Amino acid sequence: DQQVKQNSPSLSVQEGRISILNCDYTNSMFDYFLWYKKYPAEGPTFLISISSIKDKNEDGRFTVFLNKSAKHLSLHIVPSQPGDSAVYFCAASAKNDYKLSFGAGTTVTVRA
Amino acid sequence: EPEVTQTPSHQVTQMGQEVILRCVPISNHLYFYWYRQILGQKVEFLVSFYNNEISEKSEIFDDQFSVERPDGSNFTLKIRSTKLEDSAMYFCASRRDRARNTEAFFGQGTRLTVV
Repeated sequence: DQQVKQNSPSLSVQEGRISILNCDYTNSMFDYFLWYKKYPAEGPTFLISISSIKDKNEDGRFTVFLNKSAKHLSLHIVPSQPGDSAVYFCAASAKNDYKLSFGAGTTVTVRA
Repeated sequence: EPEVTQTPSHQVTQMGQEVILRCVPISNHLYFYWYRQILGQKVEFLVSFYNNEISEKSEIFDDQFSVERPDGSNFTLKIRSTKLEDSAMYFCASRRDRARNTEAFFGQGTRLTVV
């Protein structure tokens, strides 16, 4: 089951620069997308979400972009901070389906 | 801030033994989930639970798995006869309601090691 794919297992970025995390999905029934952040020894923490009726959602330093035609979404973190170093999971759910399908995660390392 | 708590944080068990993983969801939440993450792999859905019954389960959630909400606060995952491949991080999650924009809160996880 590879309905949600995060093809980059890791990303290293300089503090203050932009981090761009990518996510692709195959299930055309997905209409709600979320990003979760996970620190070691902790559970995933909700970060930001977007409904398929939108193409952008912004919350502080975090912006999620959705390109439905390409079945692609991305998370932008600007500016990146050392505390952003974590694993980021892309997740999706379909209408009338309340479970989340997760990607494999991208480990972000923000260098000082 | 309310949180989902899971116990134990780490459980080591012998193959073939039964284990019970415990979760205390956030008190006013109505929907409960178990997910697992095998080391190096993605987080996988196991089961969702609402109104004292399973609402959905994945193909992973076979007859050796069961869930229960025995006392209105705890939400448990039982694995009857553990196998080596059950070794994973198990996450409990809860949601206040089923509205699409209601986030799921995850516990810190239980690391299950089957030897």
